[in-house]
Formats: sequence, structure tokens, C-alpha cells
Amino acid sequence: TQLLEQSPQFLSIQEGENLTVYCNSSSVFSSLQWYRQEPGEGPVLLVTVVTGGEVKKLKRLTFQFGDARKDSSLHITAAQPGDTGLYLCAGVGTYKYIFGTGTRLKVLA
Amino acid sequence: EAGVTQFPSHSVIEKGQTVTLRCDPISGHDNLYWYRRVMGKEIKFLLHFVKESKQDESGMPNNRFLAERTGGTYSTLKVQPAELEDSGVYFCASSQDFTAYPYEQYSYEQYFGPGTRLTVT
Repeated sequence: TQLLEQSPQFLSIQEGENLTVYCNSSSVFSSLQWYRQEPGEGPVLLVTVVTGGEVKKLKRLTFQFGDARKDSSLHITAAQPGDTGLYLCAGVGTYKYIFGTGTRLKVLA
Repeated sequence: EAGVTQFPSHSVIEKGQTVTLRCDPISGHDNLYWYRRVMGKEIKFLLHFVKESKQDESGMPNNRFLAERTGGTYSTLKVQPAELEDSGVYFCASSQDFTAYPYEQYSYEQYFGPGTRLTVT
């Protein structure tokens, strides 16, 4: 069974700080996605990474796919209160996505 | 362009009753997925439709759950009879075709609905 573990589960930081969220598995994924979810809404796709070692940037967010395509990280630079939310990673298993447990981020002004 | 819509947004039913959830995907999306998150757990895959056919229903918990997608448009997920452990948020997502990459890799861009929060008492 493919599992994705995210860490930390909860993170509360001050505005302007940097943070990194990790997504780890013992399985190889064909591709991996990061989502952000707001209360009362469904997850919204932020990025898809496919190639081992791939790095993608989305403004202050930097996403990296591990060389072996088993893990990924999300780094936020100078966090803003608007970054508050639930961050989810999801890896493509056998033609379906396996979701991580999520990291709930709160950025305090 | 309208996004994925789900109805109802909330449902509270008693154990043993029947509930039907509905999902309207983005127009033109052949792929439709159902997911569920029970409290404190990760979002888990339930099943995948391609048009009106069930491509993968390996995540369906048991035979109390029945999903249909007649005509390849909207989909329904019926729970009958509901049990306490069925409580959770049910998400629907839709996507276009897979994007293929070298070395047999692939991905697809899913668009999620807002979910239906089901509470079984």
C-alpha cells in the first residue's frame, strides 16, 4: 500500500518567517502534486512535479521533487497571513492519487 | 466556466437511512473521481469514472456504497444503509485526459468540488 506522510502536521509561524513542509513515502510516484485547501472548499492544485530532482517556483513557494521520486518538499519564503491553510501533497499511484495527511499552516500577522 | 459542483453541501441523517450525493463535473471532463475524508484522516480515493464506465472502484469501502454516472455527465454516490463510520466529507473531482511524460510517467489535473459533509447520527 502506498502511503504519503507529511510533516509537520501543524505549523504556526509569524509573518515573514520561512517554512518547509515535507512529504515522504517509501514508494516511487509517477508524479506528485501539491494542493492548498481552504475551509469549506475542495483542494486547489498548486503545482505538479514529474521529473526526479525537479524544482518549481510559484511566487514565494518553491516545490521540489526528490531525485528518486519518493518525496517532495514545499518551501515558503517570507510567509504571509494569506498563506494560511491546509497544504496537501498527492502522488499518482496506479492511475489514482494517494493523498498525504496534510499540513495545517497558520501565519500570524 | 463553472467549476465542479456538489449537492448537498451538508447532510445529517440517522444510521440506517439512505443518502444520495450528487456531483456535476466541469463540462467536457470525461474523468470523474470520488474521494472521502473521515475526520483526522487523509483524503482517500473511492472510485474513478471515465465517461459512464467505472475505471477503478477499488477504494469503495463496501457494497453499501453505489456510484453511478448515467450518460457520462453528473454522478451520484448513494450510501444505503448509512453507518456511523460513513461520516466525513465526500469530495468529487473531474479532469480531462492524462498528460503522458517519458518513462511511462503521467499526471492529470483534477478540479475538486467543495465537498459534501455527511454526518450520520
